[in-house]
Order: sequence, then structure tokens, then C-alpha cells
Amino acid sequence: QITLKESGPALVKPSETLTLSCFFSGFSLNSDAAAVGWIRQPPGKALEWVGFIFWDGNTRYLSSLKNRITITKGDSKNEILLTMTDVDPADTGTYFCIHRQGGDFYDDRGNYHVGIYYFDFWGQGTLVTVSS
Amino acid sequence: EIHLTQSPSSLSASIGDTVTISCRSSQNIFISLNWYQQKSGQAPKLLIYAASRLQTDFPSRFRGSGSGTDFVLIIDNFQPEDVATYFCQQSFTFWTFGQGTKVDVK
Repeated sequence: QITLKESGPALVKPSETLTLSCFFSGFSLNSDAAAVGWIRQPPGKALEWVGFIFWDGNTRYLSSLKNRITITKGDSKNEILLTMTDVDPADTGTYFCIHRQGGDFYDDRGNYHVGIYYFDFWGQGTLVTVSS
Repeated sequence: EIHLTQSPSSLSASIGDTVTISCRSSQNIFISLNWYQQKSGQAPKLLIYAASRLQTDFPSRFRGSGSGTDFVLIIDNFQPEDVATYFCQQSFTFWTFGQGTKVDVK
């Protein structure tokens, strides 16, 4: 069974650096095609992907955040870190750590589609408030 | 960037109703469309993936269909435990979410 758990500060001051940790179990980030990432949700609003790190060490970041965030593997093989610099009140929200899964599927017309990805396991989330 | 537009943004349903939620993509995303259910105070849960595949743990009254730019999530025989916000999400190019549809009991 895959589990993920986020941890980090609940309150951060504007312009400071936020670091969140995600410990996971039940899979290896070194396995082919594995990916773990972050999705955030401002209070009462929609979900927004933040970034991902892949089994090969590559990363992908939301374009509006890419100058401020870094996702790295932690010291433990079952940990990833999200570092966000120069935080703003607009960064307030719940940050979820997620596991990405994928596969190849046929559609209703029999067409074959490769690389359909989805987020099958989520952490409980950690609420981060950016305020002075 | 691919945009997803859900409609309606909220709805109230009676127990036993059939609920239909629409998700429209700004570009052809084939079947790279997933649905998530988020209950109040909880993390989202994967409900439907690849447009129509039902995730384990969910009953068969949930159905997903569509391809290209138009997708629907249907809840047959709506139950009290289905009260939640439902999000669609595309994974064709990076990952974006719809704005959500909040479903409650009439």
C-alpha cells in the first residue's frame, strides 16, 4: 500500500523560504516511470499542480513558479523536498504530496493511447499560511 | 496551457437523482482526463482515470465518458455519501485541473 505524508511549517512570513518534506512508502522513486509531486489548494479554491520529480531525477515545475521552487530527493530514499523561495500570501494553501501512476489504454473506439497519467495516492496535506 | 472548464460550478441533487457534471478542454486531450472526489476537509481521491476507468473503492454508480474535448462524470442514484466537490484533471500536457463542481443534497 502506498502512503505519503507531508510535513513542514504551518506559518511562514512573506519573503521567507518554505521547505516541505514528503515521506512516502510502498514504492521506489528509483523505479522506471515513477514520479512524486506536489499539488496545492488555496483555501476554498481549486487544485493547482506545483511540480514533480521523476525516477531519473528530472523535474517539472508550474511555469509561474519555476523561478521560485525546487523539488529534490531527500537524504532518505523515501523522501522528497519542496523548497519555495520568496513566499507570498498568495502561496497560502494546503500542499499535497502525490504519487503519479500511468498506463496505456484503449478508448471506446479501440484506439490505443499510451502514457495516460493520474494521481492515485495523495498525502493528507499540510496547510501553509504565509502571513506576517 | 490547456484549460478545463467544468459546469455547473455547483448543484443540489435529491437522493436517487442522476447527477451529470461536464468538463470541457480547450484542446484535444484524447482520453487523458481524470476525475477526483474531494470531501470536506479531506484530500482528493482518484475516482475515474483515462476518461472512463473507475478506480477501485468506488461503486459502479459513478461513470465517466468522453474523449477529445468533452467529458462527463455521471453519478447514478445519488447517495448522501456522494456529497463532495468533483474536479476534472488533464494529463495530456503537464497537469491542470478544472475549477471544481460542488455537489450537495437538496
